[in-house]
Amino acid sequence: DQQVKQNSPSLSVQEGRISILNCDYTNSMFDYFLWYKKYPAEGPTFLISISSIKDKNEDGRFTVFLNKSAKHLSLHIVPSQPGDSAVYFCAAAGANSKLTFGKGITLSVRP
Amino acid sequence: GAGVSQSPSNKVTEKGKDVELRCDPISGHTALYWYRQSLGQGLEFLIYFQGNSAPDKSGLPSDRFSAERTGGSVSTLTIQRTQQEDSAVYLCASSLYTSGGYTFGSGTRLTVV
Repeated sequence: DQQVKQNSPSLSVQEGRISILNCDYTNSMFDYFLWYKKYPAEGPTFLISISSIKDKNEDGRFTVFLNKSAKHLSLHIVPSQPGDSAVYFCAAAGANSKLTFGKGITLSVRP
Repeated sequence: GAGVSQSPSNKVTEKGKDVELRCDPISGHTALYWYRQSLGQGLEFLIYFQGNSAPDKSGLPSDRFSAERTGGSVSTLTIQRTQQEDSAVYLCASSLYTSGGYTFGSGTRLTVV
């Protein structure tokens, strides 16, 4: 039973355009959400997070939106750059702080 | 150290052999996690250590898997009698706070032949 779902396995966007990566979750006890970025042969690196008391968090080109009623979050990257090409994992945590990850989405930014 | 260190980076082993994977977390980080990523899959939780508390072993897939964390620092994940389905990248992460982002190591790529 997947508690964190990234339903699209891949996304391709043109450089300079917006990338929107989606994530859905089923466990209403999750109260903290994170996005990680992973390059081949490297471990995932933390990108941005959001607490359930907020609906938006912004850090430079990266913005995460949280819709608690829909149990949905999204990561917006604007403008997208070729160096953003990587696998992006959505993750969620509850009170025990253990992160549950989605399967990831491969983002390709075309020059 | 500056980051989470894992060794070896690659391990090829014969089916039925035991393997040990090592994780050296960031100094001072009280929480340590093991995950694995099989081909085409997401990050699968294995085990979680937090301070002196009993570890959360709920993600270990079978009793062939075990992990220790000595002195609240270095951790070893042991897989006994390896099977081909154990082939994956095993990732270790540590964190300072009970909430917040983890810092991951680069992982150990295990191949069971």
